[in-house]
Amino acid sequence: DIQMTQSPSSLSASVGDRVSITCQASQGINIYLNWYQQKPGKAPKLLIHHALTLQTGVSSRFSGSGSGTDFILTIYNLQPEDVATYYCQKFDPARAAFAFGPGTKVDIK
Amino acid sequence: QVQLQQSGLGLVKPSQTLSLTCSISGDSISSDTAAWNWIRQSPSRGLEWLGRTFLRSKWYSEYAPSVEGRMTVNPDSSNNQFSLQLNSVTPEDTAVYYCARSFHSGFFDFWGQGTLVTVSS
Repeated sequence: DIQMTQSPSSLSASVGDRVSITCQASQGINIYLNWYQQKPGKAPKLLIHHALTLQTGVSSRFSGSGSGTDFILTIYNLQPEDVATYYCQKFDPARAAFAFGPGTKVDIK
Repeated sequence: QVQLQQSGLGLVKPSQTLSLTCSISGDSISSDTAAWNWIRQSPSRGLEWLGRTFLRSKWYSEYAPSVEGRMTVNPDSSNNQFSLQLNSVTPEDTAVYYCARSFHSGFFDFWGQGTLVTVSS
């Protein structure tokens, strides 16, 4: 099974900062990589699919990049409403296998 | 706008069956492009995909290895909903359970509100 790791596990940054979260797959997954934002007590919200495509209605301050095994979620101009936990998620279409990363908690300093 | 509304009991005794239903509005369970999923979240296991059902000329169901043989996802076309049954539960199955819609490329774009299910005697 392909394993997903994320770094850092948590970070604290100031309003207006640029923040980057890394997701790594144990094997190549092409661009079958998605990013979610989850706030306490809520379901995850899709931000980015296919590694770099912004979901409709999501702020353009969120950006995704990468392919193969290494992916990055960047949040530009960090805002208080971005405080949340962020998850990456991979999909293997050949085996119908889904897996989520362990999450990165983002706080405001 | 697609909405998924979950219902079901939040407390299940060990060895019994966990049952949840997800009612769909704004889309059809018989869509030939969407799939209908169950995902759970717990502090110990994180977010874990459990299984899905979808229609592609006939109905298919697929499950994660961790629950294969113990879990059933059933579509209900008449009521535009789908269900989850998880047999022989243990306290390890205590989690928030979500239903969600996905497409071929495996991203989950709409989610239910989540149901906390506690397995306890």
